[in-house]
Amino acid sequence: GAGVSQSPRYKVAKRGQDVALRCDPISGHVSLFWYQQALGQGPEFLTYFQNEAQLDKSGLPSDRFFAERPEGSVSTLKIQRTQQEDSAVYLCASSPNGQGADTQYFGPGTRLTVL
Amino acid sequence: GIQVEQSPPDLILQEGANSTLRCNFSDSVNNLQWFHQNPWGQLINLFYIPSGTKQNGRLSATTVATERYSLLYISSSQTTDSGVYFCAVTLMNRDDKIIFGKGTRLHILP
Repeated sequence: GAGVSQSPRYKVAKRGQDVALRCDPISGHVSLFWYQQALGQGPEFLTYFQNEAQLDKSGLPSDRFFAERPEGSVSTLKIQRTQQEDSAVYLCASSPNGQGADTQYFGPGTRLTVL
Repeated sequence: GIQVEQSPPDLILQEGANSTLRCNFSDSVNNLQWFHQNPWGQLINLFYIPSGTKQNGRLSATTVATERYSLLYISSSQTTDSGVYFCAVTLMNRDDKIIFGKGTRLHILP
């Protein structure tokens, strides 16, 4: 079956521009996670949804970052007034149940470059 | 917060060689996973291993939770094994997120 998909795969933004990154999880998966991966580093947790409820947003680096999952399926990560330090790969993952300890299935990521 | 340390940071091997990757963690964890990130950036779960030993083909993993470490073994390396291997843990009572180490970058030469 289809895995986790993300779009766009690549995004170049000018500093100060707003961007929106989309994640389509595996159908029926309850949990959805966003991670940020800087060059040469491991992914770092940003936020977690269980269905449409955002249960943890402790990893969002600033109030410029906003995530939503209004119908409990597709999720969007929005970054306002992008800065150069926002350049990274943004990974989305989903898991079948409402427990993060389940195996997470990752999408291919969106590589964001802020000029 | 919890520290997840992986070693070595980089490893270059000839095709056919064996390797051992290590992950140390500083606190008790609910779960531990090993991931492979291929050169195109895709993360694939290899093992879900809070304790004990598991094997899958040429790969095996062992976690000794009481001593807070895990090992990933790769035997008879192939060029397709190249990429970055991440250890990732889930905290006790905080199962809503995974904390990743910085990874071991493995390059297998033909």
